[in-house]
Amino acid sequence: DIVMTQSPESLTVSLGERATINCKSSQSVLHSSNNKNCLAWYQQRPGQPPKLLIYWASSRESGVPDRFSGSGSGTDFTLSISSLQAEDVAVYYCHQYCGAPTFGGGTKVEIK
Amino acid sequence: EVQLVESGGGLVQPGGCLRLSCAASGFTVSNNYMNWVRQAPGKGPEWVSVLYDDGSTFYADSVKGRFTISRDNSKNTLYLQINNLRVEDTAVYYCARRRDGSTSPMDVWGKGTTVTVSS
Repeated sequence: DIVMTQSPESLTVSLGERATINCKSSQSVLHSSNNKNCLAWYQQRPGQPPKLLIYWASSRESGVPDRFSGSGSGTDFTLSISSLQAEDVAVYYCHQYCGAPTFGGGTKVEIK
Repeated sequence: EVQLVESGGGLVQPGGCLRLSCAASGFTVSNNYMNWVRQAPGKGPEWVSVLYDDGSTFYADSVKGRFTISRDNSKNTLYLQINNLRVEDTAVYYCARRRDGSTSPMDVWGKGTTVTVSS
């Protein structure tokens, strides 16, 4: 199985500042059928299920604010929140869906 | 509205069994790749099983031989039969849809049902 490793485990950012989360996969997640990276990002608030934010590494899901953006390719990926809002406090997970799906261990984002 | 609602969780002794249900609305279960994902307390999600639109099923190694995924097309409902429960199966169990088969992530999730395995 592909192992997903996230860093940092937790992040404290001031309101309006940028938050950056990293994710590394143990092998490439480039999908052979379309040459896209099968990498997604989820947001999970306490007591809620994960919410899809980003797919194909950089495509924003419908309704997701444009302050959320994804980048990267191959084995290294990043989720950025350009201007942190109070409602962005949550745990964020990266997820690969190329083979048997796997998730990262999560990054907890808090307000400074 | 597209929605998934899980039920069937509870407190069970080790070695016991449960059947989880996931009722779908707003889309057809049998036309999608439907998954069960679990999340132990304080941990990240862990994929458990998938049922493809063609009826194929796949399982994580940790549950193979103990868990069975199935669906009832007439009820538009997904199931997970869990046998020989272990303490390490304690988790919130979510059902989730992959909207475009193998080329998409899980886009719709239910709120989950809690399974606690303890003596």
